[in-house]
Amino acid sequence: DAGVIQSPRHEVTEMGQEVTLRCKPISGHNSLFWYRQTMMRGLELLIYFNNNVPIDDSGMPEDRFSAKMPNASFSTLKIQPSEPRDSAVYFCASRLQTNTEAFFGQGTRLTVV
Amino acid sequence: RKEVEQDPGPFNVPEGATVAFNCTYSNSASQSFFWYRQDCRKEPKLLMSVYSSGNEDGRFTAQLNRASQYISLLIRDSKLSDSATYLCVVNIGQAGTALIFGKGTTLSVSS
Repeated sequence: DAGVIQSPRHEVTEMGQEVTLRCKPISGHNSLFWYRQTMMRGLELLIYFNNNVPIDDSGMPEDRFSAKMPNASFSTLKIQPSEPRDSAVYFCASRLQTNTEAFFGQGTRLTVV
Repeated sequence: RKEVEQDPGPFNVPEGATVAFNCTYSNSASQSFFWYRQDCRKEPKLLMSVYSSGNEDGRFTAQLNRASQYISLLIRDSKLSDSATYLCVVNIGQAGTALIFGKGTTLSVSS
């Protein structure tokens, strides 16, 4: 298996633009997580899905952020409109089942100028 | 109180030293625990799971104290390659489904 695949690896965009981050979890995994990492705040859990259903989105910073998981093999995190303070590394992770470890993608480094 | 707290360090130690990291968590219903390692500009990767009875993997030993809501990681005979950030992870939330990370402890091993 290729592991968790995220795209793009790097994204530079102008303030106000829409940004879409993509994730393909490991096949057969039933949980998917989106995290944001910054130096100041560390790894923050934004939202997670079980069996494609969003369980808890309380970590999503504001309405500009939205996430979807239309099927078991694909998820998106969208920021519209983007702001400079959204600049961070966004990680997607998946795991086989509850109480097991999660596997991370390589992350998307987002810069909003 | 934050859900998972760690001393950010940095811990600067010479090769061969023994170093210990601690982590506390706030949710007493937490069911599973992990230590992850993250290298600079890389994704976090599982170092080891933490079991109630404590567990060891080579030079690494993890301990769990449920009564005190405390997890530890001990690294013996430190190597240069152990330099990284170590993240404490706790499984909490509805049906134990959310993985919450501490901010990490930075270790620098020097020759």
